[in-house]
Amino acid sequence: DAKTTQPPSMDCAEGRAANLPCNHSTISGNEYVYWYRQIHSQGPQYIIHGLKNNETNEMASLIITEDRKSSTLILPHATLRDTAVYYCIVRPWVTQGGSEKLVFGKGMKLTVNP
Amino acid sequence: GAGVSQSPSNKVTEKGKDVELRCDPISGHTALYWYRQSLGQGLEFLIYFQGNSAPDKSGLPSDRFSAERTGGSVSTLTIQRTQQEDSAVYLCASSSRTEETQYFGPGTRLLVL
Repeated sequence: DAKTTQPPSMDCAEGRAANLPCNHSTISGNEYVYWYRQIHSQGPQYIIHGLKNNETNEMASLIITEDRKSSTLILPHATLRDTAVYYCIVRPWVTQGGSEKLVFGKGMKLTVNP
Repeated sequence: GAGVSQSPSNKVTEKGKDVELRCDPISGHTALYWYRQSLGQGLEFLIYFQGNSAPDKSGLPSDRFSAERTGGSVSTLTIQRTQQEDSAVYLCASSSRTEETQYFGPGTRLLVL
């Protein structure tokens, strides 16, 4: 079972920041938070991951609370092409005996409106 | 560089036939994964390869499903005696030993009539 909970859907206006929440209250100290998205009829696309520090790349920013029980993915300037299902996944370090597999939940459908 | 590729992109088959799905991982990636996504369902793990060996086959739904990997590169997922419930998108992903992020291919859409 997925260890994360996300709202089922969210709308955002084009050009505005999209803040996608994720709860992972049972996260362990050796578990990373990963975000993927899946645009209709495509394979999942990796976005970003982090352990405890905030992370930023060319696609998004990831803000993880100090207690690590929740996180927020931020798309700073949402476009219509960002409409997709977004998955928040927690996964332990494989080198510490964690399973290699990703456990996907239902994700959250983000719709960016013109 | 080139990403994960899968073939065919679409496959329609008749119930009872065998099918083979192919995955070409990113060059140099030692780990390879198969997942599937049924209509309206989430992604579920099938099998994981590290090199040519499969330490985790726990997600294969029945003994009709098998997979192999040769030369530490290409993998083939075989479904024997296909059933209608096998209809799904079959996704492949790969990752390197140093960076554990999994990168996915576009998937093979399988329809069993």
